[in-house]
Amino acid sequence: EAQVTQNPRYLITVTGKKLTVTCSQNMNHEYMSWYRQDPGLGLRQIYYSMNVEVTDKGDVPEGYKVSRKEKRNFPLILESPSPNQTSLYFCASSLDHGTSGGNEQFFGPGTRLTVL
Amino acid sequence: LAKTTQPISMDSYEGQEVNITCSHNNIATNDYITWYQQFPSQGPRFIIQGYKTKVTNEVASLFIPADRKSSTLSLPRVSLSDTAVYYCLVGGSGGYQKVTFGIGTKLQVIP
Repeated sequence: EAQVTQNPRYLITVTGKKLTVTCSQNMNHEYMSWYRQDPGLGLRQIYYSMNVEVTDKGDVPEGYKVSRKEKRNFPLILESPSPNQTSLYFCASSLDHGTSGGNEQFFGPGTRLTVL
Repeated sequence: LAKTTQPISMDSYEGQEVNITCSHNNIATNDYITWYQQFPSQGPRFIIQGYKTKVTNEVASLFIPADRKSSTLSLPRVSLSDTAVYYCLVGGSGGYQKVTFGIGTKLQVIP
């Protein structure tokens, strides 16, 4: 089944304790992206990657890191989490980054992160 | 990226047709218009995409006027399960790269 998976689905942690949220897709998609969703703010893009070893900042990259060493994986790293990073996080992928006119993004189930 | 403006919320009764309009005055020549649907605590799901005139699929229709400065998502005969947030996105011509979803339109279907 074609899908985007995220782990963990739920995480409660404490300020300053490094964590990684994994994202994996099995559709051989080139484009992957991370979003956070907060009440009243909609979905905001954190980082995106147009292919292996190619990443760039979205609208809210502060406090996050990403890497794209393999096509299927795009982990989100919080080196020193803070309470303002408490949010619902979504990973997404699409076939390419839209040069052919746009491709639909497939979203993972989400990771609910709480930083105390 | 072209900025989009949508109503924050809409209510509709079951069985009615719902039209949600999105304004995108600064749309670029090669930009496409894409709509997503999101249920609570789930990731957004692609509904429909178009460039001009009208596009229809099994779920919705998308109307785009000639000047492309707005678009209207039409949901025929909505049911309670259509209660969700609907997002309008514009872009794609130069690659998705940065993507802005905005806050979307919260549609509440009333029995």
